[in-house]
Amino acid sequence: GAVVSQHPSWVICKSGTSVKIECRSLDFQATTMFWYRQFPKQSLMLMATSNEGSKATYEQGVEKDKFLINHASLTLSTLTVTSAHPEDSSFYICSATRAGWVTEAFFGQGTRLTVV
Amino acid sequence: AQKITQTQPGMFVQEKEAVTLDCTYDTSDPSYGLFWYKQPSSGEMIFLIYQGSYDQQNATEGRYSLNFQKARKSANLVISASQLGDSAMYFCAMREGGTGNQFYFGTGTSLTVIP
Repeated sequence: GAVVSQHPSWVICKSGTSVKIECRSLDFQATTMFWYRQFPKQSLMLMATSNEGSKATYEQGVEKDKFLINHASLTLSTLTVTSAHPEDSSFYICSATRAGWVTEAFFGQGTRLTVV
Repeated sequence: AQKITQTQPGMFVQEKEAVTLDCTYDTSDPSYGLFWYKQPSSGEMIFLIYQGSYDQQNATEGRYSLNFQKARKSANLVISASQLGDSAMYFCAMREGGTGNQFYFGTGTSLTVIP
């Protein structure tokens, strides 16, 4: 299957700092990338959908100024958690899809963010 | 209404036995895709199997098969000959053809394979 690489796998940062998470599709062009947040033993919560070259579409309740998403190319999307606080600590995971609605989503390895 | 419903929070199965994980879905779109993903404790999401709404036959991928009952809107995952490495969270997901790219995920089922 296709490969999506997410970096870093884990990060610890201080309150008030910003953290950038990268999501790369290594062997295909990702027309759409999704960013999810997952709390322990819960399902994935969609945060935003990003299409290359356009602004991300955020889900209701997700602060776009806090979670900045950039999808500058067909192989790279970034999520920046700005002015992180302990409540932002979570597992963040990205996925990417190729063109065509029937295709599966390929997921990155996820990033465990801890804000101290 | 929930798009995807998984009613089994946790399941246990004996090694080498078969197990069925339930999934029902809700959509009025005639074009949709159904997916199953496995999430081990490491956190990565592993794609297992796909079923399209127009597919006539149930999907199969190795030990995984999807019991697709369109009229009942169910898409149960069957794992045959369970292995210890199958212990993980399993998520059912749906993607609708007419409303863009969004995936809808169920709440997941935690499967534990007992030796």
